[in-house]
Amino acid sequence: GQNIDQPTEMTATEGAIVQINCTYQTSGFNGLFWYQQHAGEAPTFLSYNVLDGLEEKGRFSSFLSRSKGYSYLLLKELQMKDSASYLCAAMDSNYQLIWGAGTKLIIKP
Amino acid sequence: TAGITQAPTSQILAAGRSMTLRCTQDMRHNAMYWYRQDLGLGLRLIHYSNTAGTTGKGEVPDGYSVSRANTDDFPLTLASAVPSQTSVYFCASSDSISGGANEQFFGPGTRLTVL
Repeated sequence: GQNIDQPTEMTATEGAIVQINCTYQTSGFNGLFWYQQHAGEAPTFLSYNVLDGLEEKGRFSSFLSRSKGYSYLLLKELQMKDSASYLCAAMDSNYQLIWGAGTKLIIKP
Repeated sequence: TAGITQAPTSQILAAGRSMTLRCTQDMRHNAMYWYRQDLGLGLRLIHYSNTAGTTGKGEVPDGYSVSRANTDDFPLTLASAVPSQTSVYFCASSDSISGGANEQFFGPGTRLTVL
């Protein structure tokens, strides 16, 4: 079956760095997406990886290892506004997104 | 531009009643999607449409129907609501269903409670 695993909740300190891991198993693979979702709001796109390696975009970076079925989202210089859920989603061979349950990130001052 | 709009924002519905959740996008995207989001679960795809005039079933289509008469609108209908359909419903769109970093844009969601 198809499955996405990510931690349910993480806590980090303002100004620090946090890494949110995601492992996936899909029928075929057409890329890995990360979305941010603030409480009560819609998900918004953060990053996309389809090749192995690190993609950097400002304070956020995303890494992919296709051979290991593994990705992580790295958030640097954490700010209070980064408190949100982070959703990992893998695109399968039918171009449908398989979503993880999300990681709730709590930032403490 | 508005992006994607959904209506209503929230609704309480009696079991057995029918309801249509509305979704409109102004980005001229070809592909549109309906998801439900439940606590502790990932977003689950209900139905999708690759382009106007075509629709397809997602992971959890039972009890729901959709239509795609034009590019902009993608309504979701619950013919006879049941309590297990209590959820937050998100409509999304993307330029196409495949090809590269084809991010999906989400509407603000409809919070539906079926009693």
